Amino acid sequence: DTAVSQTPKYLVTQMGNDKSIKCEQNLGHDTMYWYKQDSKKFLKIMFSYNNKELIINETVPNRFSPKSPDKAHLNLHINSLELGDSAVYFCASSQDWGSTGELFFGEGSRLTVL
Amino acid sequence: SQKIEQNSEALNIQEGKTATLTCNYTNYSPAYLQWYRQDPGRGPVFLLLIRENEKEKRKERLKVTFDTTLKQSLFHITASQPADSATYLCAPSKRRGSTLGRLYFGRGTQLTVWP
Repeated sequence: DTAVSQTPKYLVTQMGNDKSIKCEQNLGHDTMYWYKQDSKKFLKIMFSYNNKELIINETVPNRFSPKSPDKAHLNLHINSLELGDSAVYFCASSQDWGSTGELFFGEGSRLTVL
Repeated sequence: SQKIEQNSEALNIQEGKTATLTCNYTNYSPAYLQWYRQDPGRGPVFLLLIRENEKEKRKERLKVTFDTTLKQSLFHITASQPADSATYLCAPSKRRGSTLGRLYFGRGTQLTVWP
């Protein structure tokens, strides 16, 4: 069983479109994250949710809206896509907010904006 | 925010040698530091965690050291194998507090082990 799964794996879309990426974890973790890895391979935190509550919003444009319907799911919706949004987006989870925070990552969703 | 430097973008070594990767950080002192491995097209995978009060941590052929005076962590892979070829990321974390659990990642060092 995949621990952290995200869909789709690949997304190719036009500028101005709206797209969503879904993430689910079956580890029973309380905390989930979205990270962005750009073409230079920097992995930057975007959002973190702890038990459905937003904990971290790392100065991300409000075109990006995370949603956590329950603690096992964290989806990412992006409005009005721009060229600079092209990147690989990783979902991750950790046991809880108070732990040392070892992260379990999904396989990534590669977004290409044309 | 934390500035993290990993020694070089690429490191090439011969099979059987010891690979040593460096992670330097500035600003605050992390409560702990993690190392991850990332293969092409895959998500990072957790390898080791070392706490601020630990000098050294080992796991099979891996060894991590943590020098809070130098603000540096070293990651060693002994008896390296071609299968160890990957990008290795270090991630110092902040202490518990208002930014609890926040991890910043270095850009990573791409290790290539050739036969």
